[in-house]
Amino acid sequence: DQQVKQNSPSLSVQEGRISILNCDYTNSMFDYFLWYKKYPAEGPTFLISISSIKDKNEDGRFTVFLNKSAKHLSLHIVPSQPGDSAVYFCAASGTNDYKLSFGAGTTVTVRA
Amino acid sequence: DTGVSQDPRHKITKRGQNVTFRCDPISEHNRLYWYRQTLGQGPEFLTYFQNEAQLEKSRLLSDRFSAERPKGSFSTLEIQRTEQGDSAMYLCAGAGLNTGELFFGEGSRLTVL
Repeated sequence: DQQVKQNSPSLSVQEGRISILNCDYTNSMFDYFLWYKKYPAEGPTFLISISSIKDKNEDGRFTVFLNKSAKHLSLHIVPSQPGDSAVYFCAASGTNDYKLSFGAGTTVTVRA
Repeated sequence: DTGVSQDPRHKITKRGQNVTFRCDPISEHNRLYWYRQTLGQGPEFLTYFQNEAQLEKSRLLSDRFSAERPKGSFSTLEIQRTEQGDSAMYLCAGAGLNTGELFFGEGSRLTVL
């Protein structure tokens, strides 16, 4: 049962423009959400997170938005850079549940 | 650098052989996780340790899989009688006691011929 879903397998964006990645979840017990970035042949790298008590968290070019009522979160990258080309995973966990459930990932390609 | 190292990075084996992967987290990582990732999918949870205690195992983890963390530091994941369906990237992650973020190693890729 896929509790975290990333419905867009790929995204192509021009350098300098905004990248918007979407993620939906089904488990209402999830209260902590993360985004990871993964290059080929490497492990996922933590990017940014958000707790359910917030609806927005920003770190430099990366902003995560959380809509709890819709069980939806998004990652905005602005401006997009060629080094952002990677696979991005959305992940979630619940209080006292220390394991993360991951989505299937979205491959982002930033075009020059 | 996440401080989590995995060995070997790539293992090619024949069906039916046993393989063992090792993970070395940093000392601050009281929690240690094993995940498996196949092409086109996100990482799937396999098992989790807090210090030396194995607290949870996924239903995905058949009895051919065993994991240990004997002294609460490094961990091993052994797969007995490998099958072609075991071919995947095996990821280890560490975390502190009160943090939600997991820090992954670079993974061990298993190819079963």
